[in-house]
Amino acid sequence: QSALTQPPSASGSPGQSVTISCTGTSSDVGNYNYVSWYQQHPGKAPKLMIYEVSKRPSGVPDRFSGSKSGNTASLTVSGLQAEDEADYYCSSYAGSNNLVFGGGTRLTVL
Amino acid sequence: QVQLQESGPGLVKPSETLSLTCAVSGYSISSGYYWGWIRQPPGKGLEWIGSIYHSGSAYYSPSLKSRVTISVDTSKNQFSLNLSSVTAADTAVYYCARRLQVTRAFDIWGQGTMVTVSS
Repeated sequence: QSALTQPPSASGSPGQSVTISCTGTSSDVGNYNYVSWYQQHPGKAPKLMIYEVSKRPSGVPDRFSGSKSGNTASLTVSGLQAEDEADYYCSSYAGSNNLVFGGGTRLTVL
Repeated sequence: QVQLQESGPGLVKPSETLSLTCAVSGYSISSGYYWGWIRQPPGKGLEWIGSIYHSGSAYYSPSLKSRVTISVDTSKNQFSLNLSSVTAADTAVYYCARRLQVTRAFDIWGQGTMVTVSS
């Protein structure tokens, strides 16, 4: 299977909203509502931010939201804060017990 | 709280087998959940390696399937990764993580361990 496609970078000013896309195919993102998003700060382990397309684990601010349309999933970060600057990765179930990750997006808070 | 800790050699020679263990504390592996391995080459993105259920049923990435074995030891509350015939391309930070059963999301991660493949 191929990796999901994410833009290499995204940016926004504090207080603004930014949306990161994650494009797959009808075999993964488009066929299952098992899309997850992870935040990774430099030198740290990834942290789960969104699962099942739009659900937030306990403790994740509601500034983070997820959605999906067709083969593309999206992560929106509202009210950008300095601590949101990090790498973000999407992942999707791809059938037959396979998982696939996106290439990652570096979010810069200007 | 649930914690995961990877351990194993930081340096492996080409063509040899990379072996890592993930010790789980704060939760009994035999109680449920899937457990997985994910790696990240330096400066690159995440790659799923495989996952295993407490019963021992394992699933692997198609691109690594021929070289990967994941096993679980419920008596020691840990699970392990073996990756054979390694090359420099297998140099990466290796993470172990707990996977939610239905959603396939990894909700708890270890800190990661760097493994370098070099002679």
